[in-house]
Amino acid sequence: DAKTTQPNSMESNEEEPVHLPCNHSTISGTDYIHWYRQLPSQGPEYVIHGLTSNVNNRMASLAIAEDRKSSTLILHRATLRDAAVYYCILRSPNAGGTSYGKLTFGQGTILTVHP
Amino acid sequence: GAGVSQSPRYKVAKRGQDVALRCDPISGHVSLFWYQQALGQGPEFLTYFQNEAQLDKSGLPSDRFFAERPEGSVSTLKIQRTQQEDSAVYLCASSPGPYNEQFFGPGTRLTVL
Repeated sequence: DAKTTQPNSMESNEEEPVHLPCNHSTISGTDYIHWYRQLPSQGPEYVIHGLTSNVNNRMASLAIAEDRKSSTLILHRATLRDAAVYYCILRSPNAGGTSYGKLTFGQGTILTVHP
Repeated sequence: GAGVSQSPRYKVAKRGQDVALRCDPISGHVSLFWYQQALGQGPEFLTYFQNEAQLDKSGLPSDRFFAERPEGSVSTLKIQRTQQEDSAVYLCASSPGPYNEQFFGPGTRLTVL
């Protein structure tokens, strides 16, 4: 599996935008970029995913570099509820039929939001 | 609708005891995954079911770990002769298909004394 690299931690103030970076220099042409987050004492939850174009949903935006070797998850206005561990994960829709869509989590980025 | 539920939420076992952890996926979800999360680490894949078929058990750490999903809905992860290194949060996730968004349960925190 191609690997991702994320900063261990980041801090933000409430109501300000947050840009969470992810490097994935060995990404393959079929790998989608997925983001999940894990709030304290909860299971992970899906945030957003994309392949080549930037993506927006109600939770966040995903900006993907033109060469696809990096991406950035953007939270437009951080709230205290956004404090979580954010995981950037590469996922191929059919990796030879052997991965069955399992998620390979790294260490993620711990986001702290200050009031 | 109801999300993924897991029970018990917390389990304390003495070393050597057997434990059974239950996962109730979202109704109609074909795919079910189990993950293990050690303290301070990201979740790690254990096993995958498509309906009742266990198609991937490559992540199970030893033959003491066994999972089943006999009717293609509820799944049970069983750990025999628990060891201290088994202490972790066990997460279950379901999805409509293997490559869809996964919906996670709250996890079961297992502590082996």
